[in-house]
Amino acid sequence: RKEVEQDPGPFNVPEGATVAFNCTYSNSASQSFFWYRQDCRKEPKLLMSVYSSGNEDGRFTAQLNRASQYISLLIRDSKLSDSATYLCVVSTINQGGKLIFGQGTELSVKP
Amino acid sequence: NAGVMQNPRHLVRRRGQEARLRCSPVKGHSHVYWYRQLPEEGLKFMVYLQKENIIDESGMPKERFSAEFPKEGPSILRIQQVVRGDSAAYFCASSPSMANTEAFFGQGTRLTVV
Repeated sequence: RKEVEQDPGPFNVPEGATVAFNCTYSNSASQSFFWYRQDCRKEPKLLMSVYSSGNEDGRFTAQLNRASQYISLLIRDSKLSDSATYLCVVSTINQGGKLIFGQGTELSVKP
Repeated sequence: NAGVMQNPRHLVRRRGQEARLRCSPVKGHSHVYWYRQLPEEGLKFMVYLQKENIIDESGMPKERFSAEFPKEGPSILRIQQVVRGDSAAYFCASSPSMANTEAFFGQGTRLTVV
């Protein structure tokens, strides 16, 4: 089983749609969670950290369910510029804090 | 305030040659991570280093690959006797501390083995 698994994608949605990405992780000792974004095989960039209470940043909402070892990202009112690959990332102190990436879910927003 | 700098951006090597990839972390960051991304695949962890120490090299092949982060100078990922399967994008990331913090990525080095 992969340490971090994401929806296989790709997701093709029209502008204005709401889209949700799901992610599960296998190590119950994980304690830091992030969503990164990667454009056209460029370097990944942090989109947002994910906190236990859930957090929101504009059109983006991240949720964490520790009991189910599940992380989600919701994008509302999607824009053409949201087209990218979204990477679920998990970090575990007893693994030295290295970031473990999911394989990514590609999003394509169409006009 | 420069971010993570990687060079070269593109590197072409013939089979059997050596590839040396360099990474200068964000100023003040003492933690460096190397990742490899094969075409159509996700980022795979290779090695995690702090100054002069390898903390975790569990993702790095045992042969031909080595990494260092000396007290002075950039971190180096070295691939000896490259093979076609080594062709990939190699990303370096740095962070100021272990876990719970954002890691900043460099633009990557695209290695092509011909």
